[in-house]
Amino acid sequence: GAVVSQHPSWVICKSGTSVKIECRSLDFQATTMFWYRQFPKQSLMLMATSNEGSKATYEQGVEKDKFLINHASLTLSTLTVTSAHPEDSSFYICSARDMASGDSNTQYFGPGTRLTVL
Amino acid sequence: GQNIDQPTEMTATEGAIVQINCTYQTSGFNGLFWYQQHAGEAPTFLSYNVLDGLEEKGRFSSFLSRSKGYSYLLLKELQMKDSASYLCAVLDSNYQLIWGAGTKLIIKP
Repeated sequence: GAVVSQHPSWVICKSGTSVKIECRSLDFQATTMFWYRQFPKQSLMLMATSNEGSKATYEQGVEKDKFLINHASLTLSTLTVTSAHPEDSSFYICSARDMASGDSNTQYFGPGTRLTVL
Repeated sequence: GQNIDQPTEMTATEGAIVQINCTYQTSGFNGLFWYQQHAGEAPTFLSYNVLDGLEEKGRFSSFLSRSKGYSYLLLKELQMKDSASYLCAVLDSNYQLIWGAGTKLIIKP
């Protein structure tokens, strides 16, 4: 149980284009999902908390107009990197909690999406 | 401020035992997690401690002392596939996960 998928697993795009990353909870409903970014040899950095049916909560320093988050259903959250630039190249990882389980504090991670902006 | 401290890198020998320590100072505490992350992959859940004591799960065990703000992850019978980064994370009073920088574990034959 508690499987999270992400799509795509990797993407290469040109500077100035937008990229959408999907995060799905496959066998549970997730009212809350989390989006992280990880640069090489660094720890995870929380970007935002995605709440189903309401606006995402962004961490300090994360531009909400650049990183658009939509959590339209209990199993899907999307992150759109708008007008991507080379400095946005990173490993983007989502996670979700299974609030219905007896282990609702544990975050389960998707496999990550490696974004390279040329 | 909130911070999590863990060693940057450790080296151990295949078949041996290694202990990875984590100390934390956070605003509130709702549990401590250990995750394993192989290079280029997302973290995978290893353990969750919210009460003091030792939790054993196969070759991996995790210990917590809330009064000392301290935890460790113990890996026994090390295998080459255990080479990875091990991330310590604390759930604070707002149920926000505070992450350590991770400990890169290198296993040598």
